Amino acid sequence: QKEVEQNSGPLSVPEGAIASLNCTYSDRVSQSFFWYRQYSGKSPELIMSIYSNGDKEDGRFTAQLNKASQYVSLLIRDSQPSDSATYLCAVNPGGSYIPTFGRGTSLIVHP
Amino acid sequence: SAVISQKPSRDICQRGTSLTIQCQVDSQVTMMFWYRQQPGQSLTLIATANQGSEATYESGFVIDKFPISRPNLTFSTLTVSNMSPEDSSIYLCSVGDGNRQAFFGQGTRLTVV
Repeated sequence: QKEVEQNSGPLSVPEGAIASLNCTYSDRVSQSFFWYRQYSGKSPELIMSIYSNGDKEDGRFTAQLNKASQYVSLLIRDSQPSDSATYLCAVNPGGSYIPTFGRGTSLIVHP
Repeated sequence: SAVISQKPSRDICQRGTSLTIQCQVDSQVTMMFWYRQQPGQSLTLIATANQGSEATYESGFVIDKFPISRPNLTFSTLTVSNMSPEDSSIYLCSVGDGNRQAFFGQGTRLTVV
């Protein structure tokens, strides 16, 4: 079974700090990796996609992928209280179009 | 990305009854999926809704309990049949794009009493 592992948290950071969220996956041939943000009571929202090794930056968000270590991370710079949410890591095993989701990491940004 | 409208947004149902959830997309999409998210849990794929053929169900989910229709490339329904309190969950419609990205409807919060 293809698995995606995340620390459930909560991860608590002060406002303005860098939040670092981590995810590991078991399927070595995975090609597509995603981060979703889910506010309480809302549906998941795609915030980052990454397909090749290295870093991908979008505003305050940076996704990092290391396929050799089967590891993907999300950095949130200058964290804001509005970033408080659950962040879901998703990985498409092999050539599948269907993502496998991790359990999510709860992030709390306190003023 | 496509705009996905899901309804109802929430419902409270009596055990033993059935609820049909609708998912409407503003553009034609090939890939449409139904997920369940139980309280405090991640997303579990129920099935892939296939246009013009029977849905493809994941292990642990059966057609008699979760019948799915997909009459065209913009619409699908999921029915939760003969409900029990264990079916209380959030049900999410999702569509995929050519970059393997998934997008979600607003979700249906179901409570079975």
